[in-house]
Amino acid sequence: DTEVTQTPKHLVMGMTNKKSLKCEQHMGHRAMYWYKQKAKKPPELMFVYSYEKLSINESVPSRFSPECPNSSLLNLHLHALQPEDSALYLCASSQARRLTREAFFGQGTRLTVV
Amino acid sequence: DAKTTQPTSMDCAEGRAANLPCNHSTISGNEYVYWYRQIHSQGPQYIIHGLKNNETNEMASLIITEDRKSSTLILPHATLRDTAVYYCIVRPVPDSGGSNYKLTFGKGTLLTVNP
Repeated sequence: DTEVTQTPKHLVMGMTNKKSLKCEQHMGHRAMYWYKQKAKKPPELMFVYSYEKLSINESVPSRFSPECPNSSLLNLHLHALQPEDSALYLCASSQARRLTREAFFGQGTRLTVV
Repeated sequence: DAKTTQPTSMDCAEGRAANLPCNHSTISGNEYVYWYRQIHSQGPQYIIHGLKNNETNEMASLIITEDRKSSTLILPHATLRDTAVYYCIVRPVPDSGGSNYKLTFGKGTLLTVNP
């Protein structure tokens, strides 16, 4: 199983809503990532978890709150978002201690903030 | 991390080889070259990586110059399904440092394969 599964595929939320994006992998990967991608732009790294601990936060606003409850799951909690946060949110995972670590990406959650 | 420079777009005829260049003149000795691609509305897909030797897998070949300042990704027989944005990424050899988990995407090259 070389899949990274993201749910939901599409999400529309109001600026006062609280929602969560979910990401799951069963490849035994101990590094997991959240990326944000705006239209016609490359993916931008948001967070990296390594062994269920947050290792990189790329100065992301606090209205985005990541959580890694176990080695297979990664969540992104959303609260009080702005319309400019509308984007494709991508999850990825990789081995943490191999010499080379190719990352596997999910298909993303397309988020629209209204 | 070393920066990469790629052409914004390229065209290729179906069935011909697609050669995608990447400049990484500031690459350091402990940095790998990775290639990913992103087909429209999908997540990025790993293609290949290398340190200093040329590499080949079922998807592509990677040619790295001797001075490691540039590389070329070769898709030997391009198909319409290879139309995508191709990203060349330079990334450090993993160690215990957390920053080595970064995978930073540049602007990439939009490859259009024409029938």
